[in-house]
Amino acid sequence: GNSVTQMEGPVTLSEEAFLTINCTYTATGYPSLFWYVQYPGEGLQLLLKATKADDKGSNKGFEATYRKETTSFHLEKGSVQVSDSAVYFCALSGGTSYGKLTFGQGTILTVHP
Amino acid sequence: EPEVTQTPSHQVTQMGQEVILRCVPISNHLYFYWYRQILGQKVEFLVSFYNNEISEKSEIFDDQFSVERPDGSNFTLKIRSTKLEDSAMYFCASSEITGYEKLFFGSGTQLSVL
Repeated sequence: GNSVTQMEGPVTLSEEAFLTINCTYTATGYPSLFWYVQYPGEGLQLLLKATKADDKGSNKGFEATYRKETTSFHLEKGSVQVSDSAVYFCALSGGTSYGKLTFGQGTILTVHP
Repeated sequence: EPEVTQTPSHQVTQMGQEVILRCVPISNHLYFYWYRQILGQKVEFLVSFYNNEISEKSEIFDDQFSVERPDGSNFTLKIRSTKLEDSAMYFCASSEITGYEKLFFGSGTQLSVL
């Protein structure tokens, strides 16, 4: 079956540091890949997505590239801000299962001034 | 931006009791979902719902669970006889018929079964 593995967390960075959160996946077929973010007290929000190999999703300075050869979708940001502190979830959906997302375990990011 | 609303934010119940978790999806959305996250574990898909019927359900979604859209605006998850292991954060989500993969999630209901 489908599965998503995220790097172990939590991650603590200083403001303006470079961020990488690793995500690898196992899936049959050609899944779409997502990063969702959850800010304190809020629901999960779609941060970015990629629907086919070599696509790059980007939003709010975050980027992730769909790498089929390494089955990865790592999240990066060149310069994090305190406001980026949140929980980040990598996820995939595959085939005809509309809205059935398979999530990674989530990575807590804390950014200090 | 429109949002999915879930009530209550916290619910405490005794084992064996029935609970109903409530959600108000975004008004023009047609697909509805429930997910849950047990503390320390991954967010897991429970069920999807479209056109007043279940589209897909996971193996977790057994006969103790049911979903309903009773009045065209609410979407509910009922657990008939709660168990300790049902303690989790339950997330409701909705999506449009097109761009269905962009799910909008509520902030969750933390269910504690004692």
